Amino acid sequence: DAGVIQSPRHEVTEMGQEVTLRCKPISGHDYLFWYRQTMMRGLELLIYFNNNVPIDDSGMPEDRFSAKMPNASFSTLKIQPSEPRDSAVYFCASGDGELFFGEGSRLTVL
Amino acid sequence: AQSVSQHNHHVILSEAASLELGCNYSYGGTVNLFWYVQYPGQHLQLLLKYFSGDPLVKGIKGFEAEFIKSKFSFNLRKPSVQWSDTAEYFCAVKGGSYKLIFGSGTRLLVRP
Repeated sequence: DAGVIQSPRHEVTEMGQEVTLRCKPISGHDYLFWYRQTMMRGLELLIYFNNNVPIDDSGMPEDRFSAKMPNASFSTLKIQPSEPRDSAVYFCASGDGELFFGEGSRLTVL
Repeated sequence: AQSVSQHNHHVILSEAASLELGCNYSYGGTVNLFWYVQYPGQHLQLLLKYFSGDPLVKGIKGFEAEFIKSKFSFNLRKPSVQWSDTAEYFCAVKGGSYKLIFGSGTRLLVRP
């Protein structure tokens, strides 16, 4: 299996622009998680899905953030409008017991 | 809600020194415990996990961890570190739901 696949690996954008991050989980995994990693706040759980249904989005920082999982093989995390404080590495992970992480999407908002 | 504390934020060791990284969690029920490692510029990888059974868990690359329920601890150990162990180490806990909550991480620097 190719593992969890995220795109883009790097994104540089200007404040106010829309950002869409994508994730393809490992086939057969029922759970998908989005995490954000920053130096100041460490690894924060943003949202997780079970069988494509959002279960807990209490970690989503603001209404500017939204996440979807239209099918078992694809999820998106969208930030609209983006702000400089959203700069971070965003990880997607999937799994039922242990989690398998993707390579991450490094977002820089200027 | 569960939480995780890692008390050592930065650790510097020489090669062949022994390592112990502290991890304490807060949750009153049954927990699953994990240690992940993140090498510079890379994603998180699982080192070891505890679900049940023997509280001494052995993982990859010579790492082990001991679950002490009475102390709510899950410390990571390695008898002799190598330069290649330089990385950030995260303890994580899952209890009562499928949410995996991470500690703040410990940055380990191993000097050759």
